[in-house]
Amino acid sequence: QVTLRESGPALVKPTQTLTLTCTFSGFSLSTSGMCVSWIRQPPGKALEWLARIDWDDEKYYSTSLKTRLTISKDTSKNQVVLTMTNMDPVDTATYFCARMGVDSSGYLYFQHWGQGTLVTVSS
Amino acid sequence: DIQMTQSPSSLSASVGDRVTITCRASQSISSYLNWYQQKPGKAPKLLIYAASSLQSGVPSRFSGSGSATDFTLTISSLQPEDFATYYCQQSYSTPYSFGQGTKLEIK
Repeated sequence: QVTLRESGPALVKPTQTLTLTCTFSGFSLSTSGMCVSWIRQPPGKALEWLARIDWDDEKYYSTSLKTRLTISKDTSKNQVVLTMTNMDPVDTATYFCARMGVDSSGYLYFQHWGQGTLVTVSS
Repeated sequence: DIQMTQSPSSLSASVGDRVTITCRASQSISSYLNWYQQKPGKAPKLLIYAASSLQSGVPSRFSGSGSATDFTLTISSLQPEDFATYYCQQSYSTPYSFGQGTKLEIK
């Protein structure tokens, strides 16, 4: 059974750096083809993809946020970490991590999701 | 970056209705299109992947179609538990992108 759980501060101040951890079970991120993404959702708004890390340590980022984001993994701890620098009130959102699935034809999709963690940016 | 546009942004319907939501990509994405359902306070749930493949455990009243730039999600007979927000998402290339969502409400 695949599970993911996000953790991190509920409140950060403007200009601070946010560090979120996704702790997962039921799979290994050292297995070929595995990848985990971070996605966020401001209150009442749409989903926004942020970053992805693959089993081979390949990393991909949102174009608009790539200068502020860093994604990394600790395979031994079954964790993926996202850092976002220079936080602003507009970054207030629920942050989700999700494991991607892939079918036999290579189509990718967000198959398993954490429950999300709400981060509020306020002084 | 690929932009995804959903329509309508909101929709009122009754139990038993047939409902269609559309999603358009700003460039061809082949069949790299997924649909999710989200209920308030919950994580999104995968319904359809690769444009038309039904995720395991999802009721057969949900179906998807389309390719290239135009896609649809159809619910053949709305059930009370289907009132939620629906998102399309392209996985053709990173950065991945979602549509703005379609909120399905009870009439």
